[in-house]
Amino acid sequence: AQKITQTQPGMFVQEKEAVTLDCTYDTSDQSYGLFWYKQPSSGEMIFLIYQGSYDEQNATEGRYSLNFQKARKSANLVISASQLGDSAMYFCAMREGGEGGAQKLVFGQGTRLTINP
Amino acid sequence: DAEITQSPRHKITETGRQVTLACHQTWNHNNMFWYRQDLGHGLRLIHYSYGVHDTNKGEVSDGYSVSRSNTEDLPLTLESAASSQTSVYFCASSDPGTRNEQYFGPGTRLTVT
Repeated sequence: AQKITQTQPGMFVQEKEAVTLDCTYDTSDQSYGLFWYKQPSSGEMIFLIYQGSYDEQNATEGRYSLNFQKARKSANLVISASQLGDSAMYFCAMREGGEGGAQKLVFGQGTRLTINP
Repeated sequence: DAEITQSPRHKITETGRQVTLACHQTWNHNNMFWYRQDLGHGLRLIHYSYGVHDTNKGEVSDGYSVSRSNTEDLPLTLESAASSQTSVYFCASSDPGTRNEQYFGPGTRLTVT
């Protein structure tokens, strides 16, 4: 069964608009972590944001925020005021188990975001 | 600054040859991982290690092996390269701290002809 599902293969957004990238996950663990990574055309993987399953508040990092809905098992990435440099592939990933435990990540298939001027 | 490097960055090899991809990190992280990235599959875990002399199989380990003789290095070996192993390979490392975020190397593009 797919543990991480990103249902949007591609998205096109106008510059300066907000964008939401969807991510749903499947786990029976109570303790887990959710990550978003950005992969620009140059190919490197850049860590963006992290949400722990016991974190009560949604994570934020600058223009990035994570809309964490635990009951719905969703961890959507929200980018506010999008910029041309946000055009990239975005991956959602999950670590099952608590912090300090098993460190493996499972990745979704990614969403290619294109920001239009 | 601490970093994680991979070599070579690009490699073309022939079917049946043994190939080793190097990964070196100066973060002093205990955890190291190898992934492959293919269109439509995202990143899939090949092998991982939680410390020296520890290695574990991931989701797509067939045809690959790793060894961990020190903290800094986790080389990935393709025993007998196959065309299905044409891919981009990423090495990553993490520290067993609070977030366990993984730091990625720049990737190696491997083509098996």
